[in-house]
Amino acid sequence: QPQLQESGPGLLKPSETLSLTCTVSGGSVSSDTYYWAWIRQPPGKGLEWIGTIYYSGTTYYNPSLRGRIIMSVDTSKNRFSLNFTSVAAADTAVYYCAREAGDGYYYMDVWGKGTTVTVSS
Amino acid sequence: EKVMTQSPATLSVSPGERATLSCRASQGVSIHLAWYQQKHGQAPRLLIYGASTRAAGIPARFSGSGSGTDFTLTISSLQSEDFAVYYCQQYNYWPYTFGQGTKLEIK
Repeated sequence: QPQLQESGPGLLKPSETLSLTCTVSGGSVSSDTYYWAWIRQPPGKGLEWIGTIYYSGTTYYNPSLRGRIIMSVDTSKNRFSLNFTSVAAADTAVYYCAREAGDGYYYMDVWGKGTTVTVSS
Repeated sequence: EKVMTQSPATLSVSPGERATLSCRASQGVSIHLAWYQQKHGQAPRLLIYGASTRAAGIPARFSGSGSGTDFTLTISSLQSEDFAVYYCQQYNYWPYTFGQGTKLEIK
């Protein structure tokens, strides 16, 4: 079972860019079997899928966030990243990275512990 | 996007009893439905995928059923560690969408 660990700044100001990294251990982001995802959870609320990336760099983004997010993968460092532009207070949340497994259709089978991001002036 | 609606929002059940949680999709998602358990302050944990397949290490008291638009998660005999929030998620369509969650609390 691989482990995923999110890292990034805990506090940002409105309009700044959020950069998060998910480092994978015990597994490889270069595997053609899996996809890699970001999900977030505002305080006291439910889960929202942000986007998914494949090792080749192919991405799928939530249309509600498209234009603000860019995901990338660094196979040499076995990690993938999320850049989120023009953050606002509504982007305050716990951000999770996850591995997606499946066969044609993919579900999130391994999750990181999450990192809390607060947007405040 | 496909809206996932879970019911009830809160379910109060006594330990040892059966709990039944529901999830309805606004459009058919085949069997591409997962259930996750989330305890306070923790990341979600995959319980069920493919609507009815238990994930590795998940006890047999957890079972899932359904296809198309209506799905059920059943916990046959509640243990103290099962009281948590449960989310369903469809992965048949982009964007992936989650239900709003059912909080399972001790009666």
